[in-house]
Amino acid sequence: DAGVTQSPTHLIKTRGQQVTLRCSPKSGHDTVSWYQQALGQGPQFIFQYYEEEERQRGNFPDRFSGHQFPNYSSELNVNALLLGDSALYLCASSSQGVGHSYNEQFFGPGTRLTVL
Amino acid sequence: LAKTTQPISMDSYEGQEVNITCSHNNIATNDYITWYQQFPSQGPRFIIQGYKTKVTNEVASLFIPADRKSSTLSLPRVSLSDTAVYYCLVGDMKNQGGKLIFGQGTELSVKP
Repeated sequence: DAGVTQSPTHLIKTRGQQVTLRCSPKSGHDTVSWYQQALGQGPQFIFQYYEEEERQRGNFPDRFSGHQFPNYSSELNVNALLLGDSALYLCASSSQGVGHSYNEQFFGPGTRLTVL
Repeated sequence: LAKTTQPISMDSYEGQEVNITCSHNNIATNDYITWYQQFPSQGPRFIIQGYKTKVTNEVASLFIPADRKSSTLSLPRVSLSDTAVYYCLVGDMKNQGGKLIFGQGTELSVKP
């Protein structure tokens, strides 16, 4: 049973470009959350997708957008990249189903984005 | 959302028991306490969760006093592979819809 997978592993972009990151949730999970983790900091919540809709959003500008597909996989898009967007982007999956703990989210290995 | 305070770093030696304490003075009635572990270049991993008293699993124990204003993660007989950052999270996860609020965490270094 594959856990949460993310692609690509690493990415280098320049300021002003756009980037798309991808996430496949753990089998049986229907909810995907995205987090940004700057060096030396804890992960910061960006947004969460369930039933192909954005359900919650953290304090991130509209340059950050996402999408969830019918197979529960998700994409994170960042437009007009800034140097400060350089970070590890983490995807976490969980299930909204009965009996599942909201607390136990399963994280992927992340995508390391470097903006030059 | 309750704010958490934990030590920035801790050092230990192999075979010792490590206790990491987290303060959460403003914890609400519906809040649970959850700990995650993160190795370098990996995503965080759920360790343990509790509401009150003591919880134990195969990895760690979590001690929560009656006033719930703090909690202690206890790692028995640590090894080098326990070197990681440990995050204490507090929140009503059901009403937050699964949104996890991470602080800076405690960087644990285990030495031989």
